[in-house]
Amino acid sequence: KAGVTQTPRYLIKTRGQQVTLSCSPISGHRSVSWYQQTPGQGLQFLFEYFSETQRNKGNFPGRFSGRQFSNSRSEMNVSTLELGDSALYLCASRGGPTTDTQYFGPGTRLTVL
Amino acid sequence: GENVEQHPSTLSVQEGDSAVIKCTYSDSASNYFPWYKQELGKRPQLIIDIRSNVGEKKDQRIAVTLNKTAKHFSLHITETQPEDSAVYFCAAPRDSGNTPLVFGKGTRLSVIA
Repeated sequence: KAGVTQTPRYLIKTRGQQVTLSCSPISGHRSVSWYQQTPGQGLQFLFEYFSETQRNKGNFPGRFSGRQFSNSRSEMNVSTLELGDSALYLCASRGGPTTDTQYFGPGTRLTVL
Repeated sequence: GENVEQHPSTLSVQEGDSAVIKCTYSDSASNYFPWYKQELGKRPQLIIDIRSNVGEKKDQRIAVTLNKTAKHFSLHITETQPEDSAVYFCAAPRDSGNTPLVFGKGTRLSVIA
């Protein structure tokens, strides 16, 4: 099976702009989680989607949002970008809400100038 | 919710020696404990995991032990090789049950040839 894929791999934006990141899970996986990885804070959970519904949400401001489509692909959007949003954004897929093993994508490296 | 603490933050060992990384968790109901390895510029990769119904699991040079009473689990790497150099993350479910993961801050392991 193909692994988790994310696009784009790299993005450079300026403060105030918005950005949309995409994640395609492993075929057959219906749950997608998003994480933000920074050197100072490590891996922090953003949100999780299953069957197009958000199941869990981390402690991030409302500027961070996401959605999931019927084919399980997921997008996350960050509006009004701030310098502190510069990070590696990782998505992870698992079979479903009762499956514990998660597999990560390669990430999108976002730089906000 | 779960809180995961990981020690040490950095670890240097001579090639051939053993490396041990320890994590503690707070939620006694947690039942799944994965370890991920992240090489520079790459995605976190699952290397081993353990569920709460066993105390130890081995896979070649890698082993994980779990002490439910003390609420800690450890990663053991024997006969370390330069390719083991990476950042290692432990994790536990955010809430009891199958929920997204809470990660430790990571351990940067350097294996010196």
